Amino acid sequence: EVQVVESGGGLVQPGGSLRLSCAASGFTFSDFWMHWVRQAPGKGLVWVSRIAIDESSTTYADSVKGRFTISRDNAKNTLYLQMNSLRAEDTAVYYCARGADGCFDSWGQGTLVTVSS
Amino acid sequence: EIVLTQSPGTLSLSPGERATLSCRASQSVSSTYLAWYQQKPGQAPRLLIYGASSRATGIPDRFSGSGSGTDFTLSISRLEPEDFAVYYCQQYGTSPQVTFGQGTRLDIK
Repeated sequence: EVQVVESGGGLVQPGGSLRLSCAASGFTFSDFWMHWVRQAPGKGLVWVSRIAIDESSTTYADSVKGRFTISRDNAKNTLYLQMNSLRAEDTAVYYCARGADGCFDSWGQGTLVTVSS
Repeated sequence: EIVLTQSPGTLSLSPGERATLSCRASQSVSSTYLAWYQQKPGQAPRLLIYGASSRATGIPDRFSGSGSGTDFTLSISRLEPEDFAVYYCQQYGTSPQVTFGQGTRLDIK
């Protein structure tokens, strides 16, 4: 069974940092682009970042460019999101999603990041 | 950036009725990269339709997608109680940005 499980969320002060992880299982992780998508409380889905199968390409939403870094460890079947200089508007549930033919075919349950003093 | 506008914002229907949800793009989108998701409260989104009209694995055939260019539609032929949820369209085109519509909430009337 394809599964992705996020972890690492929590409460952080504005300007702080947090690293999210996404553990993948049930598929060949190194064959798929991976993405982060977030959802602020009561709001819609917003794409955050994506990474190529071999880390050769990474792309970010303008709202997080220069503050967030996506990476992956194919040996550990794990995706990461390093989030620095966090702002209140970064408060959201962060989902890890598997990319497939222009869509996201498997999602984790999400991890909540709250940025507040 | 391609903006996706979904309508209506909220749709109130009864079980057994047909639902038609619209997704309009600010510029032409490749049909290959237009998808629809369902999200229930407290749950992750679930892929319903990809490539504008292909059903994802395990999705009932009462769900169908259509459209091209800038206008896309998700139809649910006979609403079941479990279909009441929020639906999002999403595009993944030539721009490096991926965008979602703002969502349509499907409520029980």
